[in-house]
Amino acid sequence: DVKVTQSSRYLVKRTGEKVFLECVQDMDHENMFWYRQDPGLGLRLIYFSYDVKMKEKGDIPEGYSVSREKKERFSLILESASTNQTSMYLCASSPGLAGDFYEQYFGPGTRLTVT
Amino acid sequence: QKEVEQNSGPLSVPEGAIASLNCTYSDRVSQSFFWYRQYSGKSPELIMSIYSNGDKEDGRFTAQLNKASQYVSLLIRDSQPSDSATYLCAVNRVLWNSGNTPLVFGKGTRLSVIA
Repeated sequence: DVKVTQSSRYLVKRTGEKVFLECVQDMDHENMFWYRQDPGLGLRLIYFSYDVKMKEKGDIPEGYSVSREKKERFSLILESASTNQTSMYLCASSPGLAGDFYEQYFGPGTRLTVT
Repeated sequence: QKEVEQNSGPLSVPEGAIASLNCTYSDRVSQSFFWYRQYSGKSPELIMSIYSNGDKEDGRFTAQLNKASQYVSLLIRDSQPSDSATYLCAVNRVLWNSGNTPLVFGKGTRLSVIA
């Protein structure tokens, strides 16, 4: 079974803090993704990575950055957290070569609250 | 036009009935189609993938794809109360601005199976 884990289920941070969300997958997948999910807006792609050290902006990258130093780990960074970044953050991974994504498998999610 | 459209529901069906969930997409050249189930407070779980026109069956689930009509559906036979969840349709974006084809998700249809 594919296993995608995320560092925290719930996180509360203050406005202006730097926030790190970690994601680890154990299936040697090339591709990893970060989404946020908000009521009424659905799942939106923030960033994805198709290889170690390779990243690409998704639909809503503003206010976020990512890091992928090892194949199994993909980090999402909120440089200066704001209240409008309060959301459920979901990490996913998928096999396949660059540009050729297959089924994505999701982690349990991190519910981030910024106060 | 939205990239992936689903009726938000709720769709209510009696236990034992067939639930029919529908999805339309705008990218005529999309090649990969997925159905995810998401229970309240949980992350999306992949239940079906389909790549060719026609039907694909897996247990009580049948995915149907019609590329000419840009339409994909999910049928759930013998619906059970445990099938009550939000069902997300996802489609790959061939017209993305790089060689990669990330998924775009619909906002989901909420299914309620009444015992």
